[in-house]
Amino acid sequence: SAVISQKPSRDICQRGTSLTIQCQVDSQVTMMFWYRQQPGQSLTLIATANQGSEATYESGFVIDKFPISRPNLTFSTLTVSNMSPEDSSIYLCSVIGSGGGTDTQYFGPGTRLTVL
Amino acid sequence: GDSVTQMEGPVTLSEEAFLTINCTYTATGYPSLFWYVQYPGEGLQLLLKATKADDKGSNKGFEATYRKETTSFHLEKGSVQVSDSAVYFCALSPFSGGYNKLIFGAGTRLAVHP
Repeated sequence: SAVISQKPSRDICQRGTSLTIQCQVDSQVTMMFWYRQQPGQSLTLIATANQGSEATYESGFVIDKFPISRPNLTFSTLTVSNMSPEDSSIYLCSVIGSGGGTDTQYFGPGTRLTVL
Repeated sequence: GDSVTQMEGPVTLSEEAFLTINCTYTATGYPSLFWYVQYPGEGLQLLLKATKADDKGSNKGFEATYRKETTSFHLEKGSVQVSDSAVYFCALSPFSGGYNKLIFGAGTRLAVHP
C-alpha cells in the first residue's frame, strides 16, 4: 500500500485563525478523502477531494469552512477556516487506488488540532 | 441509510483471553466490510476486510466472517496480547468494488491486561 504523510502532525491554534493540513502520497492514487475524528468519537467524512475540480462535500460540511485543494494525483490540502474550539479534532486523509482494491481505503497518520 | 453498529466498550480482558467484538450493519446494496484498528496516538490501520457473503478476512490472528443472513461482521481473536490494546472500528463501503466513502461504527476500545 501507499505511504501517506500528513503535515503538521499536531498544532495548537487560536480561535478565529485558519490552518492548512497537507496530505502527501508516495504514488498516484485514484481517490483522496478527508475525515474528522472528534475527541473520543468515530470518523466522519468531510469531503472527497477531486483532482482538478471542486471537492464533493458531505452533508453538514461546507466549502467556506473546509476548503480543499487537490492539484495532482499525489497531494491534497484541507484548510480549517475561522476555527473555534469545536473544531478541535483529529483530521485524517485517506486514499484509494494503491493496490488494495477499489474499495479499500488507507489512512494517513492524522493531524491533531487543538483550538483554544 | 447505510449504517454500522458496534458493541460498546471498553472491553477489558486478560492476556490470552478470547476476544469477540460484535458488529452489525445496515446496507441497501452489497457492501464490502472492514475492520480498522487505531493504536494509541496513531492513525487508522486496515486490519482485515471481506468483500462478499461468507468471505472470511484474517490478519495478525484476528478473523471476521461476512454473514449476510445476520448482517454481521464480528471480530474475533483466540488469544489476545497486551499489544492488541487499541480502538477497533468496523466499517462498510456501500458497494463492493466501487469508489466509495467509508461508513464507520462508533469504535470499541479494547484494553488487555497482563
